Amino acid sequence: DIQMTQYPSSLSASVGDTVTITCRASRYMSNYLNWYQQKPGKAPTLLIYDASALQSGVPPRFSGSGSGTDFSLTISSLQPEDFGTYYCQQSYSSITFGGGTKVEIK
Amino acid sequence: QVHLQESGPGLVKSSQTLSLTCTVSGGSISSGNYYWSWIRQPAGKGLEWLGRIYTDGSTNYNPSLKSRVAVSGDTSKNQFSLKLTSVTAADTAVYYCARGAHSVSLSFDYWGQGILVSGSS
Repeated sequence: DIQMTQYPSSLSASVGDTVTITCRASRYMSNYLNWYQQKPGKAPTLLIYDASALQSGVPPRFSGSGSGTDFSLTISSLQPEDFGTYYCQQSYSSITFGGGTKVEIK
Repeated sequence: QVHLQESGPGLVKSSQTLSLTCTVSGGSISSGNYYWSWIRQPAGKGLEWLGRIYTDGSTNYNPSLKSRVAVSGDTSKNQFSLKLTSVTAADTAVYYCARGAHSVSLSFDYWGQGILVSGSS
């Protein structure tokens, strides 16, 4: 299995800040990487697929980058509704998720 | 719009089999390039993929759970199901069904609301 290490595990930022979350894979996985947002008590929602493609309906302040083993999710101009936990997920070898990054708004 | 809805018992006794069903509307489980999956999440923890069934009926499972998990489909009812054997308290989690869509990667673009299942002694 490919292990996905996500960091930081939590962060607190102000409205308008730019936030970056990183996901590192235990081995090469091309761009088979997706990002999700999960609000408390709700199912995750897909934000980014194929490392950098924006899912339909997702605001363009969300962006993804990376390939190989290192990936990042950037939220530009953080909004109050962006609180929640963010997960990366790989599908290069089986399917595994990162441990999550909890984003709080200051 | 695709909609998924999980159903099944909320409590399963230890050593017994957990059985859940996902009813899909707005799309067929037997057409398209889609993988219909089960994913679970223990309270306060991360997500774990359990297994999936493709539109042709083929299945794949998480290697760490492979001996205990089975996913099957019923095209006449547009449903797919999960069976997890030898349940323990460690299997207590919210169980989600989700649609996996293939571009380069496989991503989950539609999810059910989730169902809490407790494995009790």
